[in-house]
Amino acid sequence: AQSVSQHNHHVILSEAASLELGCNYSYGGTVNLFWYVQYPGQHLQLLLKYFSGDPLVKGIKGFEAEFIKSKFSFNLRKPSVQWSDTAEYFCAVNALGTSYDKVIFGPGTSLSVIP
Amino acid sequence: DGGITQSPKYLFRKEGQNVTLSCEQNLNHDAMYWYRQDPGQGLRLIYYSQIVNDFQKGDIAEGYSVSREKKESFPLTVTSAQKNPTAFYLCATGLGASYNEQFFGPGTRLTVL
Repeated sequence: AQSVSQHNHHVILSEAASLELGCNYSYGGTVNLFWYVQYPGQHLQLLLKYFSGDPLVKGIKGFEAEFIKSKFSFNLRKPSVQWSDTAEYFCAVNALGTSYDKVIFGPGTSLSVIP
Repeated sequence: DGGITQSPKYLFRKEGQNVTLSCEQNLNHDAMYWYRQDPGQGLRLIYYSQIVNDFQKGDIAEGYSVSREKKESFPLTVTSAQKNPTAFYLCATGLGASYNEQFFGPGTRLTVL
């Protein structure tokens, strides 16, 4: 069965530090990839997505992610975090051509940014 | 005001009782989804519906039931058969294919006493 793993359960950074959150999935075929963010007290919302083309995708609020097919990875990055980036981040994968048509979410990474 | 409404925000129930969580949308999206969010486990799919009067089981459908009588509404019933119902429940909508972006409601936190 397909699965999604996220490397860190909880990350703590100081403001202006660089961020990289790891995401790996287990599926050898074609995938669509997503990062969602859940700010405290707010709805889960899309940060960025990859369907095809340039493996480096840019999202909202200065976030970007790189799809490395050979590593089955889709890591999220931001060069300089702000206190307002404190949130829970979820990686999600849609495995195309499987017997069911759904998105599988990773367990989430909680990011705390210290002012 | 467009979006997804879930009610109530907090819900308490006694063991052995069924309870229905509401999800309404005015985004005109065909697909609707119910997820359960538990700490450290991400979101797990309970049920989904891509058109009215049709729905499919997700990964953890046991102890849950749904209906899709209208495009705008996708209520979830947590039955007494669900062994561990205390959780945060999220409703989402989409444009009809799961590889598109999903839009999430504010969630309902259910606590079984």
